[in-house]
Amino acid sequence: DAKTTQPTSMDCAEGRAANLPCNHSTISGNEYVYWYRQIHSQGPQYIIHGLKNNETNEMASLIITEDRKSSTLILPHATLRDTAVYYCIGTASGAGSYQLTFGKGTKLSVIP
Amino acid sequence: GAVVSQHPSWVICKSGTSVKIECRSLDFQATTMFWYRQFPKQSLMLMATSNEGSKATYEQGVEKDKFLINHASLTLSTLTVTSAHPEDSSFYICSAKAGGQFEQYFGPGTRLTVT
Repeated sequence: DAKTTQPTSMDCAEGRAANLPCNHSTISGNEYVYWYRQIHSQGPQYIIHGLKNNETNEMASLIITEDRKSSTLILPHATLRDTAVYYCIGTASGAGSYQLTFGKGTKLSVIP
Repeated sequence: GAVVSQHPSWVICKSGTSVKIECRSLDFQATTMFWYRQFPKQSLMLMATSNEGSKATYEQGVEKDKFLINHASLTLSTLTVTSAHPEDSSFYICSAKAGGQFEQYFGPGTRLTVT
């Protein structure tokens, strides 16, 4: 799995966009970038994943740089319920099982 | 979306006893299930990976005779902590993945306290 680097913590004002960066300079060509989040004392929640192209779903957008060395998760209108630890994970996904290696993540605090 | 449940959500047991935690995929067939452990203020650590009908694959440093994993059906995996000790107190989280799918869905976790 690719090693990822994320800031330890970030603050974001409620209603504003939260932009969470992730560096994955060692990611290989077949490794996807996954984002999960974990609200306190709950199991992680899948947010989004991508390989090369930018992706968007109902929760967030994922912007991956052309060289794939970094990406940014964007929560377009952060709410207090988005306060959580966000994990960026690079992993290969094939026909068989795959594993997620969780780093320390970014603790996002959404401020009223 | 896919739902994974865990039971119990919390459990307190005495040192030396065994505890079983269940993980169920409620609306999909989970060909692969994963068990994680999370200590306070730390990240999730993968303990083992199990494929339905096969023996679990344990991560380095995880004792397979202490943490027994059974994945006998496509919707149920169990983790049994045998002869539990206070240092086994932790938040145990399972996840499940359907065959051919990317996403891994997590259960809500089970808080184990060994006294």
